[in-house]
Amino acid sequence: DTAVSQTPKYLVTQMGNDKSIKCEQNLGHDTMYWYKQDSKKFLKIMFSYNNKELIINETVPNRFSPKSPDKAHLNLHINSLELGDSAVYFCASSKTGEGPDTQYFGPGTRLTVL
Amino acid sequence: DAKTTQPTSMDCAEGRAANLPCNHSTISGNEYVYWYRQIHSQGPQYIIHGLKNNETNEMASLIITEDRKSSTLILPHATLRDTAVYYCIVKTGTASKLTFGTGTRLQVTL
Repeated sequence: DTAVSQTPKYLVTQMGNDKSIKCEQNLGHDTMYWYKQDSKKFLKIMFSYNNKELIINETVPNRFSPKSPDKAHLNLHINSLELGDSAVYFCASSKTGEGPDTQYFGPGTRLTVL
Repeated sequence: DAKTTQPTSMDCAEGRAANLPCNHSTISGNEYVYWYRQIHSQGPQYIIHGLKNNETNEMASLIITEDRKSSTLILPHATLRDTAVYYCIVKTGTASKLTFGTGTRLQVTL
């Protein structure tokens, strides 16, 4: 009965590879987010989708491409991985339109680029 | 979104109340105060939020000053499991990003 789930939990890969991280929420929310937490523990927003439409796109290299096939899923595809992409990536979701929203986070995906 | 200032770290004895302060002197009238925490290696966890009035839920209480320039998160009976980094965040409305600062590292001790 996990609310926000991410797969995989750990991902180790070589520089230059392409990889995807998947996120699913079963809370009936309509907005989903990707956050990145770097080695210094700073958490920063990357993207947000509302009803499958991109609404937040921070200054993220275009090697990162989010895809939302439906309101319950938001995947993150990363092309040509670089050492600096190593981080923990968190997915979150919220329900909008009923006052201030509360974001619920997944357990994170730890990406290590060698 | 308004910027927040929190102490870098705090200690609290188990069973005692933990009072975590936050300054947000540039908060706007339509911005809410949110508190999240991140226990080691886990995703951030929502605790509580408020606009003007004090709020209480099963996890904590939030006290917001009348001028809304500061707030305090209160964990009434801290346990070892409350050891975490606590983030005070101010943000507007819905579907907007959470801007995390450096937070307060709370260490609960025996």
